[in-house]
Amino acid sequence: RKEVEQDPGPFNVPEGATVAFNCTYSNSASQSFFWYRQDCRKEPKLLMSVYSSGNEDGRFTAQLNRASQYISLLIRDSKLSDSATYLCVVTGGGNKLTFGTGTQLKVEL
Amino acid sequence: ETGVTQTPRHLVMGMTNKKSLKCEQHLGHNAMYWYKQSAKKPLELMFVYSLEERVENNSVPSRFSPECPNSSHLFLHLHTLQPEDSALYLCASSPSDSPYEQYFGPGTRLTVT
Repeated sequence: RKEVEQDPGPFNVPEGATVAFNCTYSNSASQSFFWYRQDCRKEPKLLMSVYSSGNEDGRFTAQLNRASQYISLLIRDSKLSDSATYLCVVTGGGNKLTFGTGTQLKVEL
Repeated sequence: ETGVTQTPRHLVMGMTNKKSLKCEQHLGHNAMYWYKQSAKKPLELMFVYSLEERVENNSVPSRFSPECPNSSHLFLHLHTLQPEDSALYLCASSPSDSPYEQYFGPGTRLTVT
């Protein structure tokens, strides 16, 4: 089983749509969780941390379910500029981040 | 952005060549990382340096040799690589007290012929 599993997509959505990505992780000892964004041919950049109570940053909402080892990212009112690959990231031991393969989002006119 | 820079951005090398990738961070961080990103695979952590000492080596083949002369610079020395080593090599840095707050460089796109 992969340490972090994501649906690779692509998710093709019209501008203004709401889209949700899911992620599951296998290491029950993971303590911290993140969503990174990676544009085509660019480096990954931290989008937001994910907290147990859920957290929101503008149009983006992240949720964590520790019991099910499941993380989600909801994007409301999608913009063309949201087109990217979204990487689910969980922590292992030490300084280690474990990345999923990413979910590709394409927002279309 | 100039927080973390990497050179070269693109590199084509033969299997018998020796080359080095360079990473420099201007963020005052104390930890630096090398990752490998292959097509359709997740980022793989290769090496971690904290306060210039290697703290993790994820069973990377010896044809990859890291060097961290100071907290701002990180190198990855390459020799006798294989075609399957072709990938995007990303450098990242973080504060030593916030290891999960990692900032990535733009990467070196490596092709081994």
